[in-house]
Amino acid sequence: KAGVTQTPRYLIKTRGQQVTLSCSPISGHRSVSWYQQTPGQGLQFLFEYFSETQRNKGNFPGRFSGRQFSNSRSEMNVSTLELGDSALYLCASSWGRRIYNEQFFGPGTRLTVL
Amino acid sequence: DQQVKQNSPSLSVQEGRISILNCDYTNSMFDYFLWYKKYPAEGPTFLISISSIKDKNEDGRFTVFLNKSAKHLSLHIVPSQPGDSAVYFCAASRSLNAGNNRKLIWGLGTSLAVNP
Repeated sequence: KAGVTQTPRYLIKTRGQQVTLSCSPISGHRSVSWYQQTPGQGLQFLFEYFSETQRNKGNFPGRFSGRQFSNSRSEMNVSTLELGDSALYLCASSWGRRIYNEQFFGPGTRLTVL
Repeated sequence: DQQVKQNSPSLSVQEGRISILNCDYTNSMFDYFLWYKKYPAEGPTFLISISSIKDKNEDGRFTVFLNKSAKHLSLHIVPSQPGDSAVYFCAASRSLNAGNNRKLIWGLGTSLAVNP
């Protein structure tokens, strides 16, 4: 069974630009969560999608948005990039919404904002 | 304010010995805790979890202990192996019964090095 895939793996952007990251969950998984990982803050929850609906949202500004498609694939978008948005963005999928399920993480997209 | 704290950024142990990774939390509403392991260039991998109704959960070489009164949990790895060298994250969450608050709150991680 293929794991969670994220594209692209690395990305370099400049301030003010916008970026779209993609996540393909494990086949059959309907929940996709996004996290931002930085050295000082650790993993911070961005949002969770289940059946194409955002079910939960972290404390990030509106520049961060996402969506989920009918095939459970998810994208997240960051507009008007700032230097502080440089981070590893991780996507995780799980079968259901219960926290007791294991979340399977992708390898992440490393975003660098110059 | 970090609600989940892993106060040791790094830990080094000898192969075959016990590794003990610690995690403290401040929110008494947390009732489910997970440990993840992360290798470089990979996403975190779920390792073991514990619910607040238990004080111990064991899975092979990995055991998690929970002390609710102290708001403290620890992960024991016995015996430690070089392949266990990774960053270990502790994460906590409130019960689903607390509403639509399924967010996992993560610690900053502890980097474990197991020396041959």
